Order: sequence, then C-alpha cells, then structure tokens
Amino acid sequence: DGGITQSPKYLFRKEGQNVTLSCEQNLNHDAMYWYRQDPGQGLRLIYYSQIVNDFQKGDIAEGYSVSREKKESFPLTVTSAQKNPTAFYLCASHRGANTGELFFGEGSRLTVL
Amino acid sequence: DAKTTQPNSMESNEEEPVHLPCNHSTISGTDYIHWYRQLPSQGPEYVIHGLTSNVNNRMASLAIAEDRKSSTLILHRATLRDAAVYYCIPLEYNTDKLIFGTGTRLQVFP
Repeated sequence: DGGITQSPKYLFRKEGQNVTLSCEQNLNHDAMYWYRQDPGQGLRLIYYSQIVNDFQKGDIAEGYSVSREKKESFPLTVTSAQKNPTAFYLCASHRGANTGELFFGEGSRLTVL
Repeated sequence: DAKTTQPNSMESNEEEPVHLPCNHSTISGTDYIHWYRQLPSQGPEYVIHGLTSNVNNRMASLAIAEDRKSSTLILHRATLRDAAVYYCIPLEYNTDKLIFGTGTRLQVFP
C-alpha cells in the first residue's frame, strides 16, 4: 500500500545534539512538507520541497535543515541551534501542481532532555 | 501568502448539520481551497478541496462563495467522531505552499 512513513515515532535526545527525522513516501509525489506542532497549537510549516534537489523555507525554518536528494525521501535535521526542539513533527506529501490531497505520516515526537 | 480566518471554536449536537466558515479574502484566482481535520492525538486528514464550484464527497460538502473570498465546510449530520480541529488552507498554485492556520475546534454533543 502507498503511504508516508516517518521514523522514529518517538525520539529522546540530549540538549545540543543534532537529530535527523526520516520521511519516506512511495506515492510518487513531487511535493513534500515538514510541519511542527506544539501541544494545543496548530501546524507550522518548517520546510517544503516541490521537486528533487530543491526546497524552500517555511515560516519557522531557523534551526532546521533538510535535503531532497531523492523524490521519495525528505529527511529533517533538527540542529542544536533550534532553541525549543521538543515537539511533534509531521511529514506530508502531495502530487503537486495544485492536484489532490495532502497525505500525512504518523508523526515523530521528539523530546529533548 | 494567502491568509485565512476561522472561528476558534464551534459546537453542535449529534445528527445536526454543521457549517464551518472560512474567510480567505486574499486568495489568488488559481489557489485551490483545501480542508483538513485533525482528530485528537492524530495527524491531519484530508476532508475536501475545490476551486470555484461547490464540491461534495462522502465526508462533507464544500460551498465556495462566488467571489472566492470565503468558503463553508458542511457536515450534513454531525457525529461524535467528527469532533476535531478543522483547517481551511489555500494551496498556492505556483509554489505548492500549504500554510495551516489556527483552525476551528468543533465540539459535538450527544
């Protein structure tokens, strides 16, 4: 079955460490997204990518980095520069060019100790 | 970026219709209007989307104003499972940028 896989589901890290969250899709979607959600809040866009080897900053990109070397993969690195990294991170994708719905992964919950 | 305005919260009784409004007065002519909902402790799920015409699917109906400055998501018969936060989002045509606003928290009472 096609879908989006995020890993790990739960992650604990010490302050000052970089962590990388994985996002893989087998939907052949062009566009991919990373969102952050804090408790009781809405989703905020971190980065998004329309095509391979290209990505754009969202509203809260500071302290994060991404890469898009393959169509199916869009990993997010939470760097030590991110002041409040503890959050729920959601990856999503869609076909692009204003077509169709956005598909979401199940999310990764990062806790920085 | 197109901005959206939604009420913070709404309430409904089970089996009653619910009309969830969204104002998107800065939307451009080629931006689709998407609606998603997020149930507690889950990721968002797609509800419906449209451009100019009203749209129907098994989950809901979407009524888009003629000037496209607003839209209304219609749940024809609310159930307890429909209690969620509903987000109205314009999808920017050229950039594929999708910005979630604060959404409307829908409570459904038995």
